[in-house]
Amino acid sequence: SQTIHQWPATLVQPVGSPLSLECTVEGTSNPNLYWYRQAAGRGLQLLFYSVGIGQISSEVPQNLSASRPQDRQFILSSKKLLLSDSGFYLCAWSMGQGNEKLFFGSGTQLSVL
Amino acid sequence: GEDVEQSLFLSVREGDSSVINCTYTDSSSTYLYWYKQEPGAGLQLLTYIFSNMDMKQDQRLTVLLNKKDKHLSLRIADTQTGDSAIYFCAESMYNAGNMLTFGGGTRLMVKP
Repeated sequence: SQTIHQWPATLVQPVGSPLSLECTVEGTSNPNLYWYRQAAGRGLQLLFYSVGIGQISSEVPQNLSASRPQDRQFILSSKKLLLSDSGFYLCAWSMGQGNEKLFFGSGTQLSVL
Repeated sequence: GEDVEQSLFLSVREGDSSVINCTYTDSSSTYLYWYKQEPGAGLQLLTYIFSNMDMKQDQRLTVLLNKKDKHLSLRIADTQTGDSAIYFCAESMYNAGNMLTFGGGTRLMVKP
């Protein structure tokens, strides 16, 4: 069966520090991968998605970047965090075959102080 | 354009039925989904319906789709305190690369 791992679960970082959140998927190959941000337990904002290694689409221009160095690995990064980057970050994957059921990781609560 | 809307809150008593509503604007939706999010956790896929269906039942969950009115609902029978969570509806559209668009979520509070 497929599983998705996301870490860390919580992170407190000072303003101006770098960020690296990692997500890996097991049990499937060539998944579509996604990074979402959720502010204050509300709606989801799609940040990045990837349909293959090295292929990244950005939905919202901002202080963040994403990379997919391996088929089942998706990384969210920042060189210098802003206060506004605080939020709950969710990684997700789908099979990309028409019925786009998304399966989510457990999330990372990021607090930028 | 894509727009999925949900009411913010719903409060019910334990044992009652809950009905969470969702409206969407794009008639080219292919699949519609319901996700559940418990506090501090990721989203869990509850159920989904193909756009050519009007109803789907799965144990305590019933999904109704009114394609003419672009209205989707999730009915939870015999609501339990463990059903307290935020519920998100989402649609995917073939002409948008099957990307999902999420509603803002409805917070369901179940009172004992």
